[in-house]
Amino acid sequence: EAQVTQNPRYLITVTGKKLTVTCSQNMNHEYMSWYRQDPGLGLRQIYYSMNVEVTDKGDVPEGYKVSRKEKRNFPLILESPSPNQTSLYFCASSLSWTGGAQYFGPGTRLLVL
Amino acid sequence: DAKTTQPTSMDCAEGRAANLPCNHSTISGNEYVYWYRQIHSQGPQYIIHGLKNNETNEMASLIITEDRKSSTLILPHATLRDTAVYYCIVRVPNTGNQFYFGTGTSLTVIP
Repeated sequence: EAQVTQNPRYLITVTGKKLTVTCSQNMNHEYMSWYRQDPGLGLRQIYYSMNVEVTDKGDVPEGYKVSRKEKRNFPLILESPSPNQTSLYFCASSLSWTGGAQYFGPGTRLLVL
Repeated sequence: DAKTTQPTSMDCAEGRAANLPCNHSTISGNEYVYWYRQIHSQGPQYIIHGLKNNETNEMASLIITEDRKSSTLILPHATLRDTAVYYCIVRVPNTGNQFYFGTGTSLTVIP
């Protein structure tokens, strides 16, 4: 089944403890992206990647890192999480960086204490 | 500055057409308009996209004005399962491939 998977789905952590949220797609998509969703602010793009080893900042990249070493994986790294990074995170992918439908993962709900 | 503007919320009677408007006055000539929806806190679901011409698929129709500064998503026969937040998105001009989702329109289909 074609899908985007994220792990973990739920995570509670403490300020400053490094964490990684994994994202994987099995559709051989070039473009991958991370979004966060907060009440009243909608979906905001954190980082995106047009292909392997090509990443760029979205609207709210501060406090996050990403890497794209393989086409299928696009992990989101929080080196030193803070409470303002408590949010619902979505990973998405699309066939080409030139456009087309983005397919979203199920989301990761993160709480930073 | 907002790249798209949508009404915060709308209601629609079940079985009637739901018409969801979106303004995207800063859209560039080669940028597509995309529509997604999100049910509760699930991952957003792609609905339809278009450039200049009107588009239709099994889910919805997309009407884009001639000047491309606005569009309307039409759900022809709304059902209770269409209750969701609907996002109109465009690619942010001159940023490569950054997308702007905005806050969307919360559509409630009323029995």
